[in-house]
Amino acid sequence: QKEVEQNSGPLSVPEGAIASLNCTYSDRGSQSFFWYRQYSGKSPELIMFIYSNGDKEDGRFTAQLNKASQYVSLLIRDSQPSDSATYLCAVNNQGGKLIFGQGTELSVKP
Amino acid sequence: EPEVTQTPSHQVTQMGQEVILRCVPISNHLYFYWYRQILGQKVEFLVSFYNNEISEKSEIFDDQFSVERPDGSNFTLKIRSTKLEDSAMYFCASRGQGVIGYTFGSGTRLTVV
Repeated sequence: QKEVEQNSGPLSVPEGAIASLNCTYSDRGSQSFFWYRQYSGKSPELIMFIYSNGDKEDGRFTAQLNKASQYVSLLIRDSQPSDSATYLCAVNNQGGKLIFGQGTELSVKP
Repeated sequence: EPEVTQTPSHQVTQMGQEVILRCVPISNHLYFYWYRQILGQKVEFLVSFYNNEISEKSEIFDDQFSVERPDGSNFTLKIRSTKLEDSAMYFCASRGQGVIGYTFGSGTRLTVV
């Protein structure tokens, strides 16, 4: 069974701090890795994807991938209360379907 | 910005009834998906659809489920005889050729009573 694991949280950080979200996956054949944000009762919204080892930055967000360790992370710099949501890690194989983790709930306190 | 549109936003149905969930993918997208999320649980893959046929389906997608692209714009998910455990948010998604990430619709909340 191909799995994606995340700490469910909640992760609480003060406004302006760095939030660090982590994800591990079991299938070594996974090719692309995604971070989605989901507000309560809403659909997942794509934040970033990464497919090469290393870091990828987009504004306040940095995704990190380590295929040897089967580990993906998302850093959110200068966290804002509006970043409070559940962050979903998802992994994609060649077939195109996404396998999601259970999500990490992030709470940014003003 | 183009959107994936889903209707209805909320549907309540009696156990054993058939339901059809509707989606209008982004117009130039070629790959279509249905996912579901039971309250408090993971987003789960149901089925992918390309070139007018199912390309992959999960164990959840049994004989009670079917998908169709009846015209050039709509993409539907039919549940033939709903069960209580089918209660969930159902998300449609679409993806363009050569695009890695895909866009989710706003979802249909299905409640089976």
